[in-house]
Amino acid sequence: NAGVTQTPKFQVLKTGQSMTLQCAQDMNHEYMSWYRQDPGMGLRLIHYSVGAGITDQGEVPNGYNVSRSTTEDFPLRLLSAAPSQTSVYFCASSYSLHMNTEAFFGQGTRLTVV
Amino acid sequence: GDSVTQMEGPVTLSEEAFLTINCTYTATGYPSLFWYVQYPGEGLQLLLKATKADDKGSNKGFEATYRKETTSFHLEKGSVQVSDSAVYFCALSRDGGSQGNLIFGKGTKLSVKP
Repeated sequence: NAGVTQTPKFQVLKTGQSMTLQCAQDMNHEYMSWYRQDPGMGLRLIHYSVGAGITDQGEVPNGYNVSRSTTEDFPLRLLSAAPSQTSVYFCASSYSLHMNTEAFFGQGTRLTVV
Repeated sequence: GDSVTQMEGPVTLSEEAFLTINCTYTATGYPSLFWYVQYPGEGLQLLLKATKADDKGSNKGFEATYRKETTSFHLEKGSVQVSDSAVYFCALSRDGGSQGNLIFGKGTKLSVKP
């Protein structure tokens, strides 16, 4: 049981380039989300999904797109990378929105935009 | 809006010392409260949780009590070990207890010296 898998683990982009951060879970979880972690800022929610075909914005959605075509996958797209998007990105999933369901996190993707 | 405030780190302790990491929150309604731990190079893991006032969450020797009157959820451990060195995040859930949509504090880095 792999849990939540994120790829790549590290990435360097030039300003203006695009890329997709991959996230996959094999636990049949309904709920998936993307956070970014910045020094002194904790984790901030970018986008989330409550099921296949349904996505919504979090606290800091600008510059990012998401889609959820399957239960397992929730990719995060950067259309035109900016230095302000240098961060560590975490994908998380949980079984549902009901109480006491644990959230599982991937190991993170460290992104540097130069 | 909802928010979580943690004591700033880093915190450096000797092995077997007593640990307290303060956490207070601001929220409407009755959020669930969580402590997550992030070991170096890894994603976040749930450490403990409490879903209503006066609940005590506990795990691996760590404890935290949900205090509604003081809006606090302080993390404590009676005797820390070197293996407890990590970053600790306090968080609250906005969705009736689900951990899918969390607000995090900024994190407190703990270093335990032998």
